[in-house]
Formats: sequence, C-alpha cells, structure tokens
Amino acid sequence: GNSVTQMEGPVTLSEEAFLTINCTYTATGYPSLFWYVQYPGEGLQLLLKATKADDKGSNKGFEATYRKETTSFHLEKGSVQVSDSAVYFCALTPNSGGSNYKLTFGKGTLLTVNP
Amino acid sequence: DAGVIQSPRHEVTEMGQEVTLRCKPISGHDYLFWYRQTMMRGLELLIYFNNNVPIDDSGMPEDRFSAKMPNASFSTLKIQPSEPRDSAVYFCASSFSESDTGELFFGEGSRLTVL
Repeated sequence: GNSVTQMEGPVTLSEEAFLTINCTYTATGYPSLFWYVQYPGEGLQLLLKATKADDKGSNKGFEATYRKETTSFHLEKGSVQVSDSAVYFCALTPNSGGSNYKLTFGKGTLLTVNP
Repeated sequence: DAGVIQSPRHEVTEMGQEVTLRCKPISGHDYLFWYRQTMMRGLELLIYFNNNVPIDDSGMPEDRFSAKMPNASFSTLKIQPSEPRDSAVYFCASSFSESDTGELFFGEGSRLTVL
C-alpha cells in the first residue's frame, strides 16, 4: 500500500536557522506529493506540491523537490521565522483511477521557532 | 468564497451520548472527506464521498460511526454511542475533481471530548 514516512519531531530552531524536514514515500505508479501545514488551532492548508519527478514545489520561502530515485520529498527553508511554527505534514495521492483524491499523510512534524 | 465550514468547533459530551458533526464543503467541490486526528494515530481518513455518494468507508472504525451526505452542500458524521476513545479532532475537507491534483481544502475541525 501507499505510505509516507517523515522525520519525528519536535524540531526546535532559532529564528533565521535553516530547516529541513525529511519525507520519504512508498507508492505504486507516479504519485503526486504535497506538504500541508497546520497552524495552531486551525485546519490543514496546502503549502506546496509537485506532481512529477524532478518538479520543485515552492511557497512562502519553502521548497521541496520530488526525487523519484530516492522516493523523497524533503521540505527546506533557508531562514525560518517565528511565524513558521506549526505542524508540517507530508502527503501523497496515488495517480490512479478513483483513489486519485485519497491523500495519505505522514504523522506530522512539529516545528517550533524561537526568537 | 467561504472555505469549508464545520460545526461545532468544540463538543464535550459524556460516554454513551450521540454526537453529530456537520460540514459544509466549498461550493462546487465534488469530493468530501472526513478525517480524524489524534496524537497517537495522526491523521486518519474515515470516509470520502464523490458527488454525494460514499466511495470508501474502509477507515470508519466501527458500526458506531456513520456518515451521510444528503446533498452537495452538507455532510454529517455521527457517533452513536460515543466512547472516550473517540476523543479527537475531526476534520472535513473538500476538493474539486477538475483540479490538476488532489489538493484538499480543510475546515478548522471539530474537537470532540468524550468523558
């Protein structure tokens, strides 16, 4: 079956530090990959996505590159801010038939950025 | 356009009581999903609908859980009778089949506490 494994948190960084949150996946075919972010007390919202190998998704200074050879989609940001404190979820949808919209999520990584 | 709207935001009830959670998806979206989030298990897909028809309910934990979508703008998730282990945040999400990938739009969640 499909699965997503992301690094366990929590991750605590100082403002302006470099961030990496690792994500690897298992899926048949050619999945689409996503990072969702959940700010305290809110629902999840899409941060970025990539739909094919070697695509780079980017948004709000965050980036992730779809690496098919290593089945990875690591999230990076060069300089984090206090406002980036949130839970980050890696996710995939299989690119097949009726399950195209069935997201499989990783367990989430809590990021805390201190001033 | 308004986002996905869920109610209630918070619910505290006693074991054995019936709980009904409600969701209004984004207008025009034809997929609707119910997820449950707990610390132990992360985000779990309970059930999803396409054009108001349940497609996959394999994630529904047991017969105490039921979900309906009587029309394109309303869905309910019911737990009867509720148990303390049902305590979680329940998220509703919707998506549009004509989008390029399976991007989901989440509501703010309903936090359920069963005493």
